[in-house]
Amino acid sequence: GQQVMQIPQYQHVQEGEDFTTYCNSSTTLSNIQWYKQRPGGHPVFLIQLVKSGEVKKQKRLTFQFGEAKKNSSLHITATQTTDVGTYFCAGGGYSTLTFGKGTMLLVSP
Amino acid sequence: DGGITQSPKYLFRKEGQNVTLSCEQNLNHDAMYWYRQDPGQGLRLIYYSQIVNDFQKGDIAEGYSVSREKKESFPLTVTSAQKNPTAFYLCASSTTLNTGELFFGEGSRLTVL
Repeated sequence: GQQVMQIPQYQHVQEGEDFTTYCNSSTTLSNIQWYKQRPGGHPVFLIQLVKSGEVKKQKRLTFQFGEAKKNSSLHITATQTTDVGTYFCAGGGYSTLTFGKGTMLLVSP
Repeated sequence: DGGITQSPKYLFRKEGQNVTLSCEQNLNHDAMYWYRQDPGQGLRLIYYSQIVNDFQKGDIAEGYSVSREKKESFPLTVTSAQKNPTAFYLCASSTTLNTGELFFGEGSRLTVL
């Protein structure tokens, strides 16, 4: 079945540093979504990418979908303490979304 | 105020007991899902439903059961057959099955004593 790998599993940065998490699928995806889960909270939708090579920006967050529609990345510029949480990618394939295991981001002030 | 409501938020159960987790949505979504979350494991799909009176097994359905008698409701029963039921359970809904945003409830944390 479809597998979605996400790296790194964990990253600790100083406030102001950049952060990137990567997502790779074993199969071509119809779309990819990104979610953020704050500690003790539930996942919240950030964005969906559908087109090959698509790049979308939300303030300090930049999302990319690979040309082959098998990989994606989320980049945060100049992290803030409010960025703390776990970031999940979720790939759309034949039926339901397949989630990666997430990247936990810690930001020290 | 539209959204998904899960209850209870915390639940303790003795081994051998069945327990039912409630999930209600007022977003008029057709698709509903149950996920299990364990530390470091991400979100694993238990069951999903595209329409009333129909549901499908996800990746880890063994030891769980669901029903979808109403569009708004998708309760999950954790049966005594589930060997390791202690986990955080998340219910979600979306307009369609494979695309579109998933809206999550706040989750139910089940602990088996």
